[in-house]
Amino acid sequence: NAGVTQTPKFQVLKTGQSMTLQCAQDMNHNSMYWYRQDPGMGLRLIYYSASEGTTDKGEVPNGYNVSRLNKREFSLRLESAAPSQTSVYFCASSEYRPPYEQYFGPGTRLTVT
Amino acid sequence: DAKTTQPNSMESNEEEPVHLPCNHSTISGTDYIHWYRQLPSQGPEYVIHGLTSNVNNRMASLAIAEDRKSSTLILHRATLRDAAVYYCIRSGGSYIPTFGRGTSLIVHP
Repeated sequence: NAGVTQTPKFQVLKTGQSMTLQCAQDMNHNSMYWYRQDPGMGLRLIYYSASEGTTDKGEVPNGYNVSRLNKREFSLRLESAAPSQTSVYFCASSEYRPPYEQYFGPGTRLTVT
Repeated sequence: DAKTTQPNSMESNEEEPVHLPCNHSTISGTDYIHWYRQLPSQGPEYVIHGLTSNVNNRMASLAIAEDRKSSTLILHRATLRDAAVYYCIRSGGSYIPTFGRGTSLIVHP
């Protein structure tokens, strides 16, 4: 099992450009999450999808959109990138029942200049 | 609001036990306590979880206070590979996980 995979691993964007971060999991989990982590900080939840067909805002959703394409895939889109979105982005998945143990991907390092 | 409180950093020597504390004084009866760790330049990885009883697995032990308002992650013999940021979080109900800054564990050779 690959677990949670993310593409790309690294990306540099210019201000105003758009891009989509891809995430896939092969654990048949119902729930998926997108986090960002700024230097020296903890993880902040951007959006989550409790189950296929649903998405909800987390703590810091502004400037992002998500799509739960199917049970396996959950993508994060930046429509018009800003330097404040420079961060490391992590995708995670879990069952939607206690204890909600999460499995994380390796992350995407995004720099917006 | 991380809903848990942890020290910013702790230090240990290699081969010694490490006790990482976490305060979750507002925990509800159905909330699980989870611990994750994040090695440098990696995503967080699950370490252990518990509800009321102490738990052991191959990575660590989790000691939960009788009133469930605090818990302690125990690494029985720290190694250099255990140097990481350790996060204590709660889950339950409509699960919206919140990670704080965690505890940065420094292990000295």
